[in-house]
Amino acid sequence: DQQVKQNSPSLSVQEGRISILNCDYTNSMFDYFLWYKKYPAEGPTFLISISSIKDKNEDGRFTVFLNKSAKHLSLHIVPSQPGDSAVYFCAASARNTNAGKSTFGDGTTLTVKP
Amino acid sequence: NAGVTQTPKFQVLKTGQSMTLQCAQDMNHEYMSWYRQDPGMGLRLIHYSVGAGITDQGEVPNGYNVSRSTTEDFPLRLLSAAPSQTSVYFCASRRAGERTEAFFGQGTRLTVV
Repeated sequence: DQQVKQNSPSLSVQEGRISILNCDYTNSMFDYFLWYKKYPAEGPTFLISISSIKDKNEDGRFTVFLNKSAKHLSLHIVPSQPGDSAVYFCAASARNTNAGKSTFGDGTTLTVKP
Repeated sequence: NAGVTQTPKFQVLKTGQSMTLQCAQDMNHEYMSWYRQDPGMGLRLIHYSVGAGITDQGEVPNGYNVSRSTTEDFPLRLLSAAPSQTSVYFCASRRAGERTEAFFGQGTRLTVV
């Protein structure tokens, strides 16, 4: 049973427009969420995170929104740039789990067209 | 600052062979983990460690062993390689605590024939 789901395997947007990547989770114990970006032949790199005590966290062009009642979070990239083309993974962890282990979604491949 | 270093980057094994994937970090992170990523899928946790001498199983531990004799190193051993272990393997480290992000190595692409 997949606890973190990214239902869109791919997303294509035009440069300068907004990219919205979605993530749903089923485990109500999750209380910390992270987004990672991955380029081909590289390891994932941390992008932005949000704690369940917040509903929004912003870092430059990247904003993550959390809707706890819907068990849904989204990553907004504004404006999108060609260099943002990558695979984006959503990850979640639960308080008091050993080592705060994260559960990952399957990823969404974002393509930003010039 | 090298971060997390994995070796080798590529490896081809025959079924039944054993090998060790190396992982080293220079950030003095307490936590280290091994993940595998299969095509179209996310990262699945194989084994993890919260400190030297302490390891535990993740989601998909079968066929793999780990040890953590130092803070810096966390090798992953494949005991008897199988085609189902063909995957990309990532090592990660992070500071202790529940609200910290992971730093990943560049990955090892393993093919078992």
